[in-house]
Amino acid sequence: AQSVTQPDIHITVSEGASLELRCNYSYGATPYLFWYVQSPGQGLQLLLKYFSGDTLVQGIKGFEAEFKRSQSSFNLRKPSVHWSDAAEYFCAVGAVAGANNHFFGTGTRLTVIP
Amino acid sequence: DTGVSQDPRHKITKRGQNVTFRCDPISEHNRLYWYRQTLGQGPEFLTYFQNEAQLEKSRLLSDRFSAERPKGSFSTLEIQRTEQGDSAMYLCASSLEARGYTFGSGTRLTVV
Repeated sequence: AQSVTQPDIHITVSEGASLELRCNYSYGATPYLFWYVQSPGQGLQLLLKYFSGDTLVQGIKGFEAEFKRSQSSFNLRKPSVHWSDAAEYFCAVGAVAGANNHFFGTGTRLTVIP
Repeated sequence: DTGVSQDPRHKITKRGQNVTFRCDPISEHNRLYWYRQTLGQGPEFLTYFQNEAQLEKSRLLSDRFSAERPKGSFSTLEIQRTEQGDSAMYLCASSLEARGYTFGSGTRLTVV
């Protein structure tokens, strides 16, 4: 069965500092992997996605993520955080074949302090 | 491309009443999804349409829930005889194949 674990419920970083949000997945085949961001009271916005090929993927807003098959991880990174990055971040896994839905993690809330 | 629109944004209803939500996907997207999100949780899959066909439903979708997508365009999600446990954010998303979703802003349902 598919599952996604985001071990950090809440992370606080200073503006300008680097960021890494962890995501581990469980899936029996090659997955599609996604990161979404959600601002309060809003829907989710796709940051980046991995299907195949280069394991380091670039996304919007300066985010990147690295797929590590051996660790079943897809961690999200940003070298320098901006105050506007404060939001909830969700990792999701979907099937490569016949992907009809995503399985989401429980999210990591990011707080950015000046 | 105006994105995915959901209506209403907020709905407060009394327990036992029926409610209906609407989702207008991006016009060229053939797939439409409904998710439910409760506080502190990630979205949970409810149902999925490819064009007008409802191809998958979660076991979370009890008999009180029904979704339609007539003509493969907009979709509606109806909840009959609402219960307090139905209080949540209902999210609609659309996609062109399975390559990442575009979400709407959601409909927040409060059952009192």
